[in-house]
Parts: sequence; C-alpha cells; structure tokens
Amino acid sequence: DAKTTQPNSMESNEEEPVHLPCNHSTISGTDYIHWYRQLPSQGPEYVIHGLTSNVNNRMASLAIAEDRKSSTLILHRATLRDAAVYYCILRDDYGQNFVFGPGTRLSVLP
Amino acid sequence: SAVISQKPSRDICQRGTSLTIQCQVDSQVTMMFWYRQQPGQSLTLIATANQGSEATYESGFVIDKFPISRPNLTFSTLTVSNMSPEDSSIYLCSVTPGGRFYEQYFGPGTRLTVT
Repeated sequence: DAKTTQPNSMESNEEEPVHLPCNHSTISGTDYIHWYRQLPSQGPEYVIHGLTSNVNNRMASLAIAEDRKSSTLILHRATLRDAAVYYCILRDDYGQNFVFGPGTRLSVLP
Repeated sequence: SAVISQKPSRDICQRGTSLTIQCQVDSQVTMMFWYRQQPGQSLTLIATANQGSEATYESGFVIDKFPISRPNLTFSTLTVSNMSPEDSSIYLCSVTPGGRFYEQYFGPGTRLTVT
C-alpha cells in the first residue's frame, strides 16, 4: 500500500470548519483514499472514503485533488466530540486490512 | 454494520503469564483482524484470522507468542503468551462485514498492563 503523510497535530475552534490534509504522492490508480478516526479510549471508526470524486456524508466531506496526490478531510463544523486522531489510509479494493500511520491528532478548543 | 465486544476490557498481569482475549461479533464475518496499539502509538496488525484456516501473521509476530483461534464466524480469541512488560498495549479486534470492503469495524479494545 502506498504511503501517506499527515501533520502530527492540528487545532481548531469549536463550531469552525476544519481541513485535515493528507499527501499521497505515490498513490496508484486502484487505491481508494480512506479516512478513519480514533476517539479517546475507543477503537478507530470509519469516516469516509473516495476514489476520484469529492464525497460527502453525514460526518464529513472528502476533497480529492485532480491528480489524486493529495486529499483533504473537511469537518464542516467542529465540535468537542470531534477531538480525535484522524488517519488517512490508502488501500485498493482488493486489500484485506488497513495499514495505520501515525495520523493527525485534532484538538478542538471551546 | 457490526457490533464487536471484547473481554476483558482491561487486565493487569504478571510477567511470564498468559492472557486470552475474546472477541465476539454480532454477525457472521469471514475475516477478523487483531491489532496492537502500544502506548502513544498507532495500530499495528498482528494477524488475520479467517474461519477454517490458520491465522496469517504479520512480520514480527509469531504464532507461539500470539496464538489465535477462530472456531466460528462470530468469535475469535487472541492469547498473549509468556508476557513481558513490552506486551503492555491495547489489543483490538476488527472485522470487515461482507460486501462492505471499505468499512472496517473495531472492538473497544483490551488494555493490557504487564508488571
């Protein structure tokens, strides 16, 4: 699986949008971009995934660069409950498991 | 979706002993995964456990140290054998429900401290 690069940590104010970047310059044509997050004292949970087009769901939006070498997870209105470690992971649709990097630790300030 | 429970939720064990962690899923799943998360670190895959076959271990993990059982499609156990303080970690099981390749569900984890 190709490697991703994320900032170690980010801060946001409550009720403001958050843009979490991920670089994946060696992404292959069959790699999907997945985002998971791990809340304190919990296992990771699925956030969103995409291949080429931007994606929206109830939790977040995923903006994918045209060349697919980077992507951004967008939380439209951060809440204190969004404080977590966010993982950007590449995996093709034949992959069996997700390989977790260090992720980005998001702090949300009241 | 899949709801996963793990037992025990936490334990403190003596060096040299073994602990068996149970993972129960509320639906039948083919593939189950066991991860380790050392303090302050990300998750590392230990092994993949498919029902009816031997578990497949990742580099750095061996069956003698982490034996896994997968007796049916809803249950698995991971044993941490001959424990040392370096085994102090959170151990998580995970599943991918059939047909939803993009979504992996994780249990709450078992927090193990070895003294």
